[in-house]
Amino acid sequence: SQQGEEDPQALSIQEGENATMNCSYKTSINNLQWYRQNSGRGLVHLILIRSNEREKHSGRLRVTLDTSKKSSSLLITASRAADTASYFCATARDTGRRALTFGSGTRLQVQP
Amino acid sequence: GAGVSQSPSNKVTEKGKDVELRCDPISGHTALYWYRQSLGQGLEFLIYFQGNSAPDKSGLPSDRFSAERTGGSVSTLTIQRTQQEDSAVYLCASSSLSVAAPAGGTQYFGPGTRLTVL
Repeated sequence: SQQGEEDPQALSIQEGENATMNCSYKTSINNLQWYRQNSGRGLVHLILIRSNEREKHSGRLRVTLDTSKKSSSLLITASRAADTASYFCATARDTGRRALTFGSGTRLQVQP
Repeated sequence: GAGVSQSPSNKVTEKGKDVELRCDPISGHTALYWYRQSLGQGLEFLIYFQGNSAPDKSGLPSDRFSAERTGGSVSTLTIQRTQQEDSAVYLCASSSLSVAAPAGGTQYFGPGTRLTVL
């Protein structure tokens, strides 16, 4: 079963607006990562935040992590039509399986 | 250097046939992962290879699925006696899991193989 659950499942906004996606998970983690997927094919890594970090920035991306609530958010500021894609959070545990556990994703549509 | 490559990009097969999917990871990456993604869904972990260690096969859905990684590089995912529910995009990823790298590592994905079982 999926560890991460993204919210909302789908999001439609206008170009220039900010987009916020949330992710919840169930077990303790070493780090949480966000990936982007275009057209149902390969994923591209966006950002990684470790369990001892609370916030991280990369360009127009801002990620927060609240380990007490087991949740994370991805904020894309000043969105562009090219940001249209599916966004997935993925968690990595400290022990056990080394593969990432992915959520079900948020489909973002940015209207030009 | 080159990214992760997968072949074929698309595969259509008949129910009951065997298929082989290939993954070429990034050179030097010691970890290799296979995932499966059904239409509109998230990624489902299948199997993980790390160096010369025994693979983590805990995600394989049935004994019809198997994978091997030869020489610590190329990997082949084999599905025997394919069923219609096997239809999905099969994604391969690799990462460099050095001592300094975080658990799970940043993964670099291939473009996937879209498998359709008729």
